[in-house]
Formats: sequence, C-alpha cells, structure tokens
Amino acid sequence: DAEITQSPRHKITETGRQVTLACHQTWNHNNMFWYRQDLGHGLRLIHYSYGVQDTNKGEVSDGYSVSRSNTEDLPLTLESAASSQTSVYFCASSGSLNSPLHFGNGTRLTVT
Amino acid sequence: SQQGEEDPQALSIQEGENATMNCSYKTSINNLQWYRQNSGRGLVHLILIRSNEREKHSGRLRVTLDTSKKSSSLLITASRAADTASYFCATQLTGGGNKLTFGTGTQLKVEL
Repeated sequence: DAEITQSPRHKITETGRQVTLACHQTWNHNNMFWYRQDLGHGLRLIHYSYGVQDTNKGEVSDGYSVSRSNTEDLPLTLESAASSQTSVYFCASSGSLNSPLHFGNGTRLTVT
Repeated sequence: SQQGEEDPQALSIQEGENATMNCSYKTSINNLQWYRQNSGRGLVHLILIRSNEREKHSGRLRVTLDTSKKSSSLLITASRAADTASYFCATQLTGGGNKLTFGTGTQLKVEL
C-alpha cells in the first residue's frame, strides 16, 4: 500500500543547530506540503511543492527551507533552530485539484 | 487570521448521541474538507465537499455546505467511543492551488 513516512518521530536539538526532517511518499503525488501544529493555532502551512524543482513559501516559512529533487521526497530544513520552532511537524501529499491530503504521523521537535 | 474557525472548541457527549461541529470561513473556496486526528497521529481525511455541493454523506457522517453563509457543519450520528478525536475543517481556496488552510479544530470526547 502507498504511504507517507516521516523521520525521525521525535527529535531534540539545541538552539542554533541545523535540523532536517525527512518526508517520503510512495503515492507518486506531485503535491507535497509541510505543516506545523501548535496548541491554539491548528495546522499552519510552512512550505509546499507542486512538483520536482518547485517550492513555495507558506504562511509561516521564516527560518525554514525545502528542496524537491525527486517526486518522493520533500525534506524540511531548519537553518538555525530556535525555541519558537518547537512543534509537531506534519508532511502531507495530494494528487490533483479537489483531492484530499494524505498525512504522515508527524515529527515532534523540541528545541532546547 | 484563520480562514477556518470551528465551533465548539470542545464537545463531550454520550455514546449513541449525535455530534455536530461547525466551521466558518472567510473567502471563496473550491472545496471544504473534514479531517480527524487521533492523539499522537497524523490527520485522516473524512469527507470532501465541493463548492457547488450542498450536502454529502459517508457512512455515519453528514456534511453540509452553505457558501452564502461561508459555513459548513459535520454531523456524526450514533457516536461511538472510537469517534473520540479532534476534528478539523480545511478549505481549498479559489485560485489558491492545491494547498489547504486548516481551522483550529474541535475536540470531541464520546463517553461510554
């Protein structure tokens, strides 16, 4: 069965370090998304991609970057981790317009 | 500001009762989607309703959409303890591509 996997599930890092969260999907979807989930804010869009070599900023993109070198993967990089980036991060993918998102199980990131 | 706002923020009912959650949004949409999230897990798609549809059913779920009021409701009939979860509405904006904007969610607790 097709799936979307995130790694690691949990990560603790120190302020100022670079961190990369992995997202891999086997749906062969062109569209991939990164969201963060915080209490009181729901899910907020960080970055998204509609295909290889395509990346776009979302609502809360400052301090984050993504790259899309193939269809399956959209890694999320925190250039210099800050305590405000402590959150749960979700990756998702979708097919065509008017199709639902498939989510990974999330990565819980703690920045100390 | 949030595109989608759910109401109520929390809801506690007895098993067998119906649960109704509401979602309001601000701008023109292609579709509106409802997702469920169990604790510690990713979001799971429940149902999608397009802007030209008024009502949709899936098993014990009934979704309505009123584009004139920019609102939607999710009804879960004959609730079960396993329905305990957070429920989110998400909108795909007109001209906004495939990305979704999520609300802050309703926490549903179904008690035995």
